[in-house]
Amino acid sequence: DAGVIQSPRHEVTEMGQEVTLRCKPISGHDYLFWYRQTMMRGLELLIYFNNNVPIDDSGMPEDRFSAKMPNASFSTLKIQPSEPRDSAVYFCAASQGDRSRQFFGPGTRLTVL
Amino acid sequence: EDKVVQSPLSLVVHEGDTVTLNCSYEVTNFRSLLWYKQEKKAPTFLFMLTSSGIEKKSGRLSSILDKKELFSILNITATQTGDSAIYLCAVGETSGSRLTFGEGTQLTVNP
Repeated sequence: DAGVIQSPRHEVTEMGQEVTLRCKPISGHDYLFWYRQTMMRGLELLIYFNNNVPIDDSGMPEDRFSAKMPNASFSTLKIQPSEPRDSAVYFCAASQGDRSRQFFGPGTRLTVL
Repeated sequence: EDKVVQSPLSLVVHEGDTVTLNCSYEVTNFRSLLWYKQEKKAPTFLFMLTSSGIEKKSGRLSSILDKKELFSILNITATQTGDSAIYLCAVGETSGSRLTFGEGTQLTVNP
């Protein structure tokens, strides 16, 4: 198994542009998590899904952020419009059942100019 | 609000030294505590602890949980330069699947 796959690995965009980050979880792992990591705030949970259904989106910073999981093998995190303060590394993670460890993808480093 | 505090925030040691990293937490309904190692990429899982007093061990790394005093320690013996990384502590609750992460400890092992 290839593990959690994220794309792109790096994204540089200008303020106001739409950004879409993608994640392919590990097959059979029914929980999917989106995190954001910055120097100032560390690793923060944004949203997580169980069986493609959003369960907790209380960490989503504002309406500019949205996430979808149309099927078990794909999820997106969209920022529209993007702002410089959104610059961070965004991780997708997966787990099998809600009591097991989470496996992290390689992350997308987002820079908003 | 759940809180996870790690100390120290950074640590510089020489190869061969033994280090102890600390993690204290305040969680409403504790389920588990996890340790991750993060080098220049994604966090990788080290340990998951759910019971007090039972040491988990993997090679030179070991960890133990104290649910009464609400803390955990991660020990690394005979450190190597490859141990240089950020070590993250995270706590999960019985309700839901959310993990709350601490700020991490940046460990640097010099040759």
